[in-house]
Amino acid sequence: GQQLNQSPQSMFIQEGEDVSMNCTSSSIFNTWLWYKQDPGEGPVLLIALYKAGELTSNGRLTAQFGITRKDSFLNISASIPSDVGIYFCAGIAGNNRKLIWGLGTSLAVNP
Amino acid sequence: DAGVIQSPRHEVTEMGQEVTLRCKLISGHNSLFWYRQTMMRGLELLIYFNNNVPIDDSGMPEDRFSAKMPNASFSTLKIQPSEPRDSAVYFCASSLGGTLSTDTQYFGPGTRLTVL
Repeated sequence: GQQLNQSPQSMFIQEGEDVSMNCTSSSIFNTWLWYKQDPGEGPVLLIALYKAGELTSNGRLTAQFGITRKDSFLNISASIPSDVGIYFCAGIAGNNRKLIWGLGTSLAVNP
Repeated sequence: DAGVIQSPRHEVTEMGQEVTLRCKLISGHNSLFWYRQTMMRGLELLIYFNNNVPIDDSGMPEDRFSAKMPNASFSTLKIQPSEPRDSAVYFCASSLGGTLSTDTQYFGPGTRLTVL
């Protein structure tokens, strides 16, 4: 089936640093979503992207829908301890209405 | 709104036992999704309902798994008989719309299942 490659698998950073993670696919996607999962909770939607080239911000988070429609990026600026969690990308490809999920990027922030 | 409610939050059972996981949708939502999350495979969609009707159950692992939506606000996921490889966190999510595409899915807190 379709796969999303999410990287890096994990990150350990110092508070205040910027973070960048990405998601790639071999297929063209129509929609990219970024979710965050806090420990012991379900994923929560952070940003949704619907057009190639789209750049959308949500506070310190910025996500972009790649021009090729095969990738997406999530950046977090000036990280804080509450940014800790697992970040998932998810996308919808072509006429397939299923949401395909990446395996997640685990973020740890050292205060 | 209380959000998506799942019960139990934790379940430990022995191999061969029946397990029933429960989910209450957000009021007014008409789509429901059951997911399974493991370290190795990440989030996997098991089944998706719209207006109480199962639309896509291609992710259901095998006949031991069954899901029902007896009314518009409630769903159950049953595993019978359970096996150790079923150990995972099971999430329920709901959304307003009728497709899998653009409608935001709101996740419950999950049920952590351990089968010994």
